[in-house]
Amino acid sequence: NAGVTQTPKFRILKIGQSMTLQCTQDMNHNYMYWYRQDPGMGLKLIYYSVGAGITDKGEVPNGYNVSRSTTEDFPLRLELAAPSQTSVYFCASEGLENEQYFGPGTRLTVT
Amino acid sequence: AQKVTQAQTEISVVEKEDVTLDCVYETRDTTYYLFWYKQPPSGELVFLIRRNSFDEQNEISGRYSWNFQKSTSSFNFTITASQVVDSAVYFCALSEASAGGTSYGKLTFGQGTILTVHP
Repeated sequence: NAGVTQTPKFRILKIGQSMTLQCTQDMNHNYMYWYRQDPGMGLKLIYYSVGAGITDKGEVPNGYNVSRSTTEDFPLRLELAAPSQTSVYFCASEGLENEQYFGPGTRLTVT
Repeated sequence: AQKVTQAQTEISVVEKEDVTLDCVYETRDTTYYLFWYKQPPSGELVFLIRRNSFDEQNEISGRYSWNFQKSTSSFNFTITASQVVDSAVYFCALSEASAGGTSYGKLTFGQGTILTVHP
């Protein structure tokens, strides 16, 4: 099993550009999450999904959108990137014991 | 609102010392879940333990042990005989429970404690 994979690993965006962060898991988990981690801080929940076709906002959803058309994929869309979205983004899926498996992260810089 | 506080921003120890990482939480829920995660220098997050609010039994796993005390809203993590490979950022996290009592997994993280173990 590859677990949770994320692409790209690094990206530099200009202000106002858009991009999609990809997340895929091969563990057949229903629950999936997107977090952002700012320097020296813990992770904050952006969006989550409890299954295909169902998504909901987390703590910091503004400026982001998600979709969940399949169990495996949970992409995060940034529209009109802003410097405040410079962060490391982690995708996670949840196992049967409520443990979360995290992807390797995407380091995004908006300049 | 839920809140997790890790008051120790950075801890530095010498190998073989014991070290305790503190975690204090706030929640209005009577049923909740507490977690510890490790983030080594490579950046990925690794699950270490989950504890539910009804289980105050301490847990030991090798050199790791956890002390959960509801009376003080604390869930502290001790590493015995620390090793250089323990150097990482450690996060404590809290999640609410659904009506069915299972964890939603919507984690509230503390700010993390940077542990450096020197040889």
